[in-house]
Amino acid sequence: GENVEQHPSTLSVQEGDSAVIKCTYSDSASNYFPWYKQELGKRPQLIIDIRSNVGEKKDQRIAVTLNKTAKHFSLHITETQPEDSAVYFCAANGPAGGYNKLIFGAGTRLAVHP
Amino acid sequence: GAVVSQHPSRVICKSGTSVKIECRSLDFQATTMFWYRQFPKQSLMLMATSNEGSKATYEQGVEKDKFLINHASLTLSTLTVTSAHPEDSSFYICSARLGDNEQFFGPGTRLTVL
Repeated sequence: GENVEQHPSTLSVQEGDSAVIKCTYSDSASNYFPWYKQELGKRPQLIIDIRSNVGEKKDQRIAVTLNKTAKHFSLHITETQPEDSAVYFCAANGPAGGYNKLIFGAGTRLAVHP
Repeated sequence: GAVVSQHPSRVICKSGTSVKIECRSLDFQATTMFWYRQFPKQSLMLMATSNEGSKATYEQGVEKDKFLINHASLTLSTLTVTSAHPEDSSFYICSARLGDNEQFFGPGTRLTVL
């Protein structure tokens, strides 16, 4: 079945710097890759997603890139702010067919220091 | 749009009792909902896929007789933890699927079994 690996597990940056989180997936049939942000004790919130028919998607300060050949995708946050501090999860859908469940990475704890 | 509610937000119960958690999609219909379990500082682990009008599909290792799922309508799925024990204490989160892939999460239920 699908397996999603996420790195790094923790990331500390200074305010204004960029942050990059990387994920790899195993099922070549996966075609949907969302990113979620979860603040402590709260629900995961969908911040951006990408489908396999595009290589990059951007929404203001966040962007996601996808390399289907290498089976990896990345989240890029520019001009980080303290409110970006949270745990970020990547996910991939799978297995092919079925109900399109999401398989989540282990998460990255991002800390943005003023 | 795409709001999902979950009730209760917190529950404390005695060992051996059963607890029911409700998940509702408030502004859209969801033929498929998902139930996750999240331990502190860990990722989201899919427990089961809930399908309106049919039996739930459980992930490997999840006891279907212990975690009863009912998806009685297009906006409501319930998870009942039967004969709860301290090891069942966790954060339970549901999500509802919108379209082919997108999942929107409820706020979660923190279960503590004494």
